[in-house]
Amino acid sequence: DGGITQSPKYLFRKEGQNVTLSCEQNLNHDAMYWYRQDPGQGLRLIYYSQIVNDFQKGDIAEGYSVSREKKESFPLTVTSAQKNPTAFYLCASSPPRTSGRSYNEQFFGPGTRLTVL
Amino acid sequence: GQQLNQSPQSMFIQEGEDVSMNCTSSSIFNTWLWYKQDPGEGPVLLIALYKAGELTSNGRLTAQFGITRKDSFLNISASIPSDVGIYFCAGQSPMGGSQGNLIFGKGTKLSVKP
Repeated sequence: DGGITQSPKYLFRKEGQNVTLSCEQNLNHDAMYWYRQDPGQGLRLIYYSQIVNDFQKGDIAEGYSVSREKKESFPLTVTSAQKNPTAFYLCASSPPRTSGRSYNEQFFGPGTRLTVL
Repeated sequence: GQQLNQSPQSMFIQEGEDVSMNCTSSSIFNTWLWYKQDPGEGPVLLIALYKAGELTSNGRLTAQFGITRKDSFLNISASIPSDVGIYFCAGQSPMGGSQGNLIFGKGTKLSVKP
């Protein structure tokens, strides 16, 4: 079945350590996104990528890094520079522009809950 | 920057009741999306709206794209216990670049009336 997978579901790290969250999709989507969700808040955009080997900062990119070496994969690294990394992280992807107006629709993975101790 | 105001923040439902929630924006959008999120899971797309005035249904859910392009409404008819969760609206600006990405409301949390 096609879909978006994120791993692991739960992640615990010590303060000061970098950690990488995985996001994979087999939907043949071009664009991929990373969001952060805090309790009682909407989703805030960290980074996005519209094509392979290209990505752009979102609204809260500081302390995070990404790569897009393959169309299917968009890993997010939470670095020690991120001051408050404990949160729920969501990855999403959207169809190619050739799919028409559904290009605007984003489909989400199950999320990774990161807790920094 | 652009902001979405989603209301109410939370509400209690009794089985069988109709539910309404809305989102308003300070600027126009060319797309409105409604998502539902269960605890500990990713949001699931419920309804997508692309045209001002558009009214779209998905089962017991009905959503409308406001005529002014600055608001959207979601109605749930005859609620059932599995409707519990957080509902998010999201809008897309007609502007390009990062500003063309989705902007999310803070969510409406539906809970069962005690």
